[in-house]
Amino acid sequence: AQSVTQLDSHVSVSEGTPVLLRCNYSSSYSPSLFWYVQHPNKGLQLLLKYTSAATLVKGINGFEAEFKKSETSFHLTKPSAHMSDAAEYFCVVSPGSSNTGKLIFGQGTTLQVKP
Amino acid sequence: DTAVSQTPKYLVTQMGNDKSIKCEQNLGHDTMYWYKQDSKKFLKIMFSYNNKELIINETVPNRFSPKSPDKAHLNLHINSLELGDSAVYFCASSLLGTGNYNEQFFGPGTRLTVL
Repeated sequence: AQSVTQLDSHVSVSEGTPVLLRCNYSSSYSPSLFWYVQHPNKGLQLLLKYTSAATLVKGINGFEAEFKKSETSFHLTKPSAHMSDAAEYFCVVSPGSSNTGKLIFGQGTTLQVKP
Repeated sequence: DTAVSQTPKYLVTQMGNDKSIKCEQNLGHDTMYWYKQDSKKFLKIMFSYNNKELIINETVPNRFSPKSPDKAHLNLHINSLELGDSAVYFCASSLLGTGNYNEQFFGPGTRLTVL
């Protein structure tokens, strides 16, 4: 069975410091992995995606994530947090065996950015 | 310019009523989805239609009935609303059939409150 675990429900950083949001996945097949961001009272926006090409994936707004198969991880990082990064972040897996487009969401991590 | 749109944005109604939420996408995608986001922000797939054919039907009460008149539209009708139906409902779309890569584009959400 496929699953996603976001290891922190809440992360708080100061503006200008690095961000690390952790995600572990479980998949029997080669998955596609995504990070989505949801700002308050908004829809979800794709930050970045891993689709079995380069293991280090760069996304929008300075975010990047590294796919580590040996650790079954796909952690999201950003060198320097900005106030506008405060939002809910979702790690998402699309099982490689699926031909239905089903996405499995992690529980979400709330990122708080302090001035 | 709106890619995935939903109406209404807010819906407040009494228990026992019947209500519908509409979704439209202008991205030329062939697959559309309904997700439910609960009060803890957990997102779960409910339904998916590919070329007007139902391909995902998760464990959802049969009071929920999706309808896809064409590839660009997916509506959600809910009968006999219950307090537990209160949530944010997101519509999404994607182009399926591109291997295991399935980037989904989300609408802004419909916040349903059942009193």
